[in-house]
Amino acid sequence: LAKTTQPISMDSYEGQEVNITCSHNNIATNDYITWYQQFPSQGPRFIIQGYKTKVTNEVASLFIPADRKSSTLSLPRVSLSDTAVYYCLPMNRDDKIIFGKGTRLHILP
Amino acid sequence: DAGVIQSPRHEVTEMGQEVTLRCKPISGHNSLFWYRQTMMRGLELLIYFNNNVPIDDSGMPEDRFSAKMPNASFSTLKIQPSEPRDSAVYFCASSGTGVSEQYFGPGTRLTVT
Repeated sequence: LAKTTQPISMDSYEGQEVNITCSHNNIATNDYITWYQQFPSQGPRFIIQGYKTKVTNEVASLFIPADRKSSTLSLPRVSLSDTAVYYCLPMNRDDKIIFGKGTRLHILP
Repeated sequence: DAGVIQSPRHEVTEMGQEVTLRCKPISGHNSLFWYRQTMMRGLELLIYFNNNVPIDDSGMPEDRFSAKMPNASFSTLKIQPSEPRDSAVYFCASSGTGVSEQYFGPGTRLTVT
């Protein structure tokens, strides 16, 4: 399982774009990069997954460079409701998920 | 779709008592996961079932914990006897395609006094 490093916490303001970068230097060839979001008092929620280049959905974009040693989750025009913990998880279909500490994102008005 | 259903949502019990947590996964999902979350240890995987069979129980802390999945629509996590250090939020999750896209339930907040 790839070891990940992501910021412990980040602050941003409403309306800004937020980018959370995760490093995973020893990612395996068949690992995908998955991001989860956890709101206070709720279970984590799958938000996006990618293998390389760029993936976009209605919630976020995920940028993965060619060497795949890092990935960046991009949240466009955040609001107060985006305050949550964001987890970066490199893994393949059959891995067990190991959630690290994640990044605690705090959106300010 | 009702999502993953867990019961009870809150449980307060005394040390030494048996506690049973219940989970109904999303219909059609063939994998089920039990997690425990505390401030100190974060979110930990306890056990993982695939097609009702336990695949990985290496996260189960000790013999006081047991989990069963008698059919595709129901699972239990039992703690006997419970201890104050078992106080945590216990999440159940299910997935239909591998392990990467899991759907979590609302959790059961367990307090052992």
